Amino acid sequence: GNSVTQMEGPVTLSEEAFLTINCTYTATGYPSLFWYVQYPGEGLQLLLKATKADDKGSNKGFEATYRKETTSFHLEKGSVQVSDSAVYFCALKEYNFNKFYFGSGTKLNVKP
Amino acid sequence: DVKVTQSSRYLVKRTGEKVFLECVQDMDHENMFWYRQDPGLGLRLIYFSYDVKMKEKGDIPEGYSVSREKKERFSLILESASTNQTSMYLCASNDGRQPQHFGDGTRLSIL
Repeated sequence: GNSVTQMEGPVTLSEEAFLTINCTYTATGYPSLFWYVQYPGEGLQLLLKATKADDKGSNKGFEATYRKETTSFHLEKGSVQVSDSAVYFCALKEYNFNKFYFGSGTKLNVKP
Repeated sequence: DVKVTQSSRYLVKRTGEKVFLECVQDMDHENMFWYRQDPGLGLRLIYFSYDVKMKEKGDIPEGYSVSREKKERFSLILESASTNQTSMYLCASNDGRQPQHFGDGTRLSIL
């Protein structure tokens, strides 16, 4: 079956540090992959997406590359800010079905 | 921009009550979803709907029902609320192959 596995948090970093949040997936076919962000007290917002192998999604300084050979979609940012403190969710959507699978979320704390 | 609106941000109800959570989207999306979010468990799909009056069970439908009488509105119903249904509830919508768009969530407490 389909599933998404994320690194457990919380992840605590100092401002301007490099961020990596690992995400691996199991899926049949060719899923689309997403990163969502949830700020305190809010719903999930789409951060970036990739729809096929080797695609790189990017937004607000965050990047993730769809790696089919390693079934991974790791989230990276070169220099985090305090305002990036949030919970990050990796997700996949099956190719021909409108069903989404979410990881358990990784909480990021960025300290000044 | 897509707007998904959930009627309440916070709700407190008593055990045994019938509870309605409402969700409205303004982008004419065919598909709407209800999830619950619990610490360490991520998002779990309760029900989804791909058309008016059509619904499908998700992974954890027990104790819940849904209603979709109009395309823009998708209601989640707790038939007889129990304390283990205390959670954050998230509504989402999308169209075909597009990402889901989420509302801000309803934090429901059952006392």
